Order: sequence, then structure tokens, then C-alpha cells
Amino acid sequence: KNQVEQSPQSLIILEGKNCTLQCNYTVSPFSNLRWYKQDTGRGPVSLTIMTFSENTKSNGRYTATLDADTKQSSLHITASQLSDSASYICVVRRQTGANNLFFGTGTRLTVIP
Amino acid sequence: DGGITQSPKYLFRKEGQNVTLSCEQNLNHDAMYWYRQDPGQGLRLIYYSQIVNDFQKGDIAEGYSVSREKKESFPLTVTSAQKNPTAFYLCASSIGLYSNQPQHFGDGTRLSIL
Repeated sequence: KNQVEQSPQSLIILEGKNCTLQCNYTVSPFSNLRWYKQDTGRGPVSLTIMTFSENTKSNGRYTATLDADTKQSSLHITASQLSDSASYICVVRRQTGANNLFFGTGTRLTVIP
Repeated sequence: DGGITQSPKYLFRKEGQNVTLSCEQNLNHDAMYWYRQDPGQGLRLIYYSQIVNDFQKGDIAEGYSVSREKKESFPLTVTSAQKNPTAFYLCASSIGLYSNQPQHFGDGTRLSIL
């Protein structure tokens, strides 16, 4: 069964601290994995995409990793800011089929001053 | 600015009433999607369209209907057959169904029952 699981469900950190969000998947055959940021009451916005051959990719203070062997990805946020408070959603694309996107339930991050 | 516009932001439905959610994009994308988002659940696909005049059921299509008469428009009707319509509805578009480019999302419509 194609599934995407994220942990933790929610996280509260102090401003300026780092944090890491996890995404485990069983989607096969794997095409790519994308992290989205969703502010409250808004639509998700893409942060980064990881393909099979990529291990690490950075986008400013966001760094994503992918281990295709263990089917795990992480999103590391450095020096958190209040504006990082949002839900972070992991989406895995399967190589085959028209309905080929599988969404995690998201991690709700709250950054407090 | 190119993007996706959903309207209205908030919508209320009475018993037995059909309501239509609007989704318009000016990104020249071929593919469009409707998702439902409930607390604690991932986005669930209602309908998707690969091209004008074509659309396919997603995972939870029962009680919903769509049309794709124009490339830029993909309205969703929540019918009275949908017994639990209260949710946050997101419309998205992408260059193509199989493209690795990201989906672009609208800012959603929150539907509630009166």
C-alpha cells in the first residue's frame, strides 16, 4: 500500500532554535518527494523537491535530505523564525499512474518567541 | 501576477443545497485538481483534469461534480449527496499530470454546514 507518514504530528520550538521533521514513505515505484509549507488558511507552497539521485538540497534555512534505500526524508529548519510557524507537508510522486501523488498528514510547527 | 484564485473564501451550505466553488488559474497550466483537507488527514483528491473537457474521479468523488469547459477554470459543485461536506477545499494546477514541476495551490474555500 502506498503511504506517506510524517512525524511528529506537531512541534513547538523557541525562535532561533533548529528542528527536523521526518517523512517515511512506502510509495513505489518512487519518482520524487516534495516538501510543501502551508500557512494557516492558505494553500501549500513548494519548498523543495528531492529526486532519487539527490541526498541533500538546501533552500535558504531549509535543508531536505533523502535516503531512497530506507525510504526516508527529513526537512531541517535552521535558526527558526516566527514566520516558520506553519504545517509542513511531504508529498511523494509515484512513477506510474495518473493519480500518482501521495500526501502525508503534515507536521504542525509552532515557533514561539 | 500569475496564480490560482479560489472563491469564495468562506461558504455556508444549507440542507439539501448544492453549492459551487470557483477555481480560476492564469498560469496556462493544463492540469487542475480539487482536494479536500480535513484536520489530521492528508489532502485527499476529489477530481482532476488533465486537459479541457476531460476530468477523472479521484479517491473521494462521491457527492461532488466538476466541469472543465475552459482551460483556466475548474469549478467544483458540492451536491446534497455529500453528507459530510464541512472541510477546507483546495484547488491546484500544474503544467501537466506527469510533470515534476510543483502543483500551485489556491488559498482554499472553507465550507461549513448551516
